[in-house]
Amino acid sequence: AQTVTQSQPEMSVQEAETVTLSCTYDTSESDYYLFWYKQPPSRQMILVIRQEAYKQQNATENRFSVNFQKAAKSFSLKISDSQLGDAAMYFCAYFPDPSFGNEKLTFGTGTRLTIIP
Amino acid sequence: DTGVSQDPRHKITKRGQNVTFRCDPISEHNRLYWYRQTLGQGPEFLTYFQNEAQLEKSRLLSDRFSAERPKGSFSTLEIQRTEQGDSAMYLCASSSGLTNEKLFFGSGTQLSVL
Repeated sequence: AQTVTQSQPEMSVQEAETVTLSCTYDTSESDYYLFWYKQPPSRQMILVIRQEAYKQQNATENRFSVNFQKAAKSFSLKISDSQLGDAAMYFCAYFPDPSFGNEKLTFGTGTRLTIIP
Repeated sequence: DTGVSQDPRHKITKRGQNVTFRCDPISEHNRLYWYRQTLGQGPEFLTYFQNEAQLEKSRLLSDRFSAERPKGSFSTLEIQRTEQGDSAMYLCASSSGLTNEKLFFGSGTQLSVL
């Protein structure tokens, strides 16, 4: 079974600075998808960024980018120019390749990000 | 289309009562998922549907839990004889056949069992 580990329960960053959230995962598969979701106090899960394992290029979405290290099974999220609205719980998640069945997201335990004005 | 809709947003019930939650997915999304999230934890998978077929159920889903998606559109999650340990946020998500891996989540139903 796949597992997702987020070893940083809490992180804080000064507004306008850069912060990196860590995630590692365990799988025996070669094709899969990785995600970062954001959950603000409203508790709505919002997709931040998506990475396909077969792509070597790291995904970017505006101020959000990832560092995907497939061999190390590491998937970190970098938030540049942090804004007050970035304050939330951030969850790393794994989705297997559909050809293997078991098609569901597996989440880590989350990292609470605080933005310091 | 306004996204995944869940009803009610909050539910308070007494132990032993039955409760039912509803989820309306994004139109034409054929996959529908239910997750449970307790405070300070990540969402845990409960079950999912492809159209009206329930394809997988987690071991977390005890006999007191049942989910349906009778016409392949909205889904209901029923919990019978609720226990205090059932208190959690119940999240629904949907995805389309083209990009099954991209799940869009609703705002959840917060259940409190007294």
